[in-house]
Amino acid sequence: GNSVTQMEGPVTLSEEAFLTINCTYTATGYPSLFWYVQYPGEGLQLLLKATKADDKGSNKGFEATYRKETTSFHLEKGSVQVSDSAVYFCALERGTYKYIFGTGTRLKVLA
Amino acid sequence: NAGVTQTPKFQVLKTGQSMTLQCAQDMNHNSMYWYRQDPGMGLRLIYYSASEGTTDKGEVPNGYNVSRLNKREFSLRLESAAPSQTSVYFCASSGVMNTEAFFGQGTRLTVV
Repeated sequence: GNSVTQMEGPVTLSEEAFLTINCTYTATGYPSLFWYVQYPGEGLQLLLKATKADDKGSNKGFEATYRKETTSFHLEKGSVQVSDSAVYFCALERGTYKYIFGTGTRLKVLA
Repeated sequence: NAGVTQTPKFQVLKTGQSMTLQCAQDMNHNSMYWYRQDPGMGLRLIYYSASEGTTDKGEVPNGYNVSRLNKREFSLRLESAAPSQTSVYFCASSGVMNTEAFFGQGTRLTVV
């Protein structure tokens, strides 16, 4: 079946450090891939997405590239800020109306 | 600019009580979803509605019922609440396939 595996947290970084959160997926066909961010007490917000192999999604300095050969969609940011502290979810959708989410990775950025 | 609106935001129930969580979207989306979020388990799909007039079970449907009242509204009902249903519930909606889902702010439910 379809599934998403992302690295466990929490991840604690100093401000301006480089961020990588790993995400790998299992799916038949060609799913769309998403990163969502959840700030404390809020719902999930779309951070970026990619709908086909080799696409790069980007937003607010975050990037992720759809790698079909490694079935991965790792999230990266070159220089994190305290305001990036949140929980990040990797997700896929394969045209079946069922979004599959990873377990989430909590990021804490220290000033 | 409302998007997906859920009510209530917080609720405490006693075991055995019933309640309905309300959700409405103003984006003219065909598909709507109910998820629950538990620590360490991410989001799990309870029920979804691919289009008005249809509903289907997700990963964890037991103990819940849903109603797609019209294109805008999708409610989740707990007939007899149990402590295991203590969770944060999110409603979401989406348009065409392979596009992103939009989420409400969540309902924090505690069953004592």
